Amino acid sequence: GIQVEQSPPDLILQEGANSTLRCNFSDSVNNLQWFHQNPWGQLINLFYIPSGTKQNGRLSATTVATERYSLLYISSSQTTDSGVYFCAVDPGNNDMRFGAGTRLTVKP
Amino acid sequence: DTAVSQTPKYLVTQMGNDKSIKCEQNLGHDTMYWYKQDSKKFLKIMFSYNNKELIINETVPNRFSPKSPDKAHLNLHINSLELGDSAVYFCASSTIGGRRAFFGQGTRLTVV
Repeated sequence: GIQVEQSPPDLILQEGANSTLRCNFSDSVNNLQWFHQNPWGQLINLFYIPSGTKQNGRLSATTVATERYSLLYISSSQTTDSGVYFCAVDPGNNDMRFGAGTRLTVKP
Repeated sequence: DTAVSQTPKYLVTQMGNDKSIKCEQNLGHDTMYWYKQDSKKFLKIMFSYNNKELIINETVPNRFSPKSPDKAHLNLHINSLELGDSAVYFCASSTIGGRRAFFGQGTRLTVV
């Protein structure tokens, strides 16, 4: 099956710093999404981004499908950004696979 | 209105028991999933359904049986619970093709 690798596994930032999270995948995909799991365990859909670039406030994401990677940018990080960020891909058969996640800690 | 709702939120039970987790979505989505999240936060797909039809059935013990009475509901029944079944189970739904999936709040299952 398709392999999804996320980096870095852990990231500690000071409030106000910027960061880039990466997701590499091993095969062509129809669908790529980024999720944030907050400290209470809730999984929030951030972006549906099979290709191109999208922005939502301080977050933006870029997927280069031909090179099989996606990036999530967080600018001016806040303590509420803490949690685990997951990338999930689907090759097109309702088989949505997750990476192992990046655990982000933002310190005040 | 909660888009994807799971019940119960917490479930503590003894080894050997049978239990069910219910999931309902009011988004009109065609596809529903069950995921298991282990203690290291890894999310592993268990099942996916599209319009009540089973699409993905990962290498899950056959003690786990999903049931989809209609496309808005996907329940998970677990027989003969084992200690290793302790985890958080998430239900999710999406439009066809897996676009923009939405997750329930999770069910924390503890087998003692």
